[in-house]
Amino acid sequence: DIQMTQSPSLLSASVGDRVTITCRASQDISNYLAWFQQKPGKAPKSLIYAASTLQSGVPSRFSGSGSGTDFTLAISSLQPEDFATYYCQHYNGYPFTFGQGTKLEIK
Amino acid sequence: EVQLVESGGGLVQPGGSLRLSCAASGFIFSSYSLSWVRQAPGKRLEWISYISHSGATIHYADSVKGRFTISRDNAKNSLYLQMNSLGDEDTAVYFCARDIQFQHWGQGTLVTVSS
Repeated sequence: DIQMTQSPSLLSASVGDRVTITCRASQDISNYLAWFQQKPGKAPKSLIYAASTLQSGVPSRFSGSGSGTDFTLAISSLQPEDFATYYCQHYNGYPFTFGQGTKLEIK
Repeated sequence: EVQLVESGGGLVQPGGSLRLSCAASGFIFSSYSLSWVRQAPGKRLEWISYISHSGATIHYADSVKGRFTISRDNAKNSLYLQMNSLGDEDTAVYFCARDIQFQHWGQGTLVTVSS
């Protein structure tokens, strides 16, 4: 199985900051990588798929990059509603697997 | 608007069975693959099963293979998950999600396995 590892697991930041979250796959997954945002008690929300394609309706301050094994989610200017947990996930064959999550908290 | 609504969760004893449903609307159901994804309390998301748009192709995670069965009824715009031989490790919120990029999710249904 392909393992997905995110870093950091916990990220403290302030409104207006630019932050980045990285996701590493244990083997080449091309660009079959998605990012999700999840708030407590809610379903995950799709942010990005195909490593860098922004989901419809997602603010442009979110961006994704990378291919192969190393990927990044960037948020250019944090807004109060962005504080949540973020997950990466590969879909390059079965089983699909998720990273352990990155909790973004207010500093 | 795409909507996915799960139902069927609840409290079940170890070794018991449960059938989850996911009712879809707002898109051409028969054109899209679907998956079940679960999340145990405080844990990461875990994909558990996939079914193609026609139902011809199905995949399972090893953790549920042989115990869970995914199915769909395109005439009823519905996805199902039959869960048998449930154990404590199956306690989780279960989500249905559309397509392999999981671009749309339901709100989830809680399954609690406990005696």
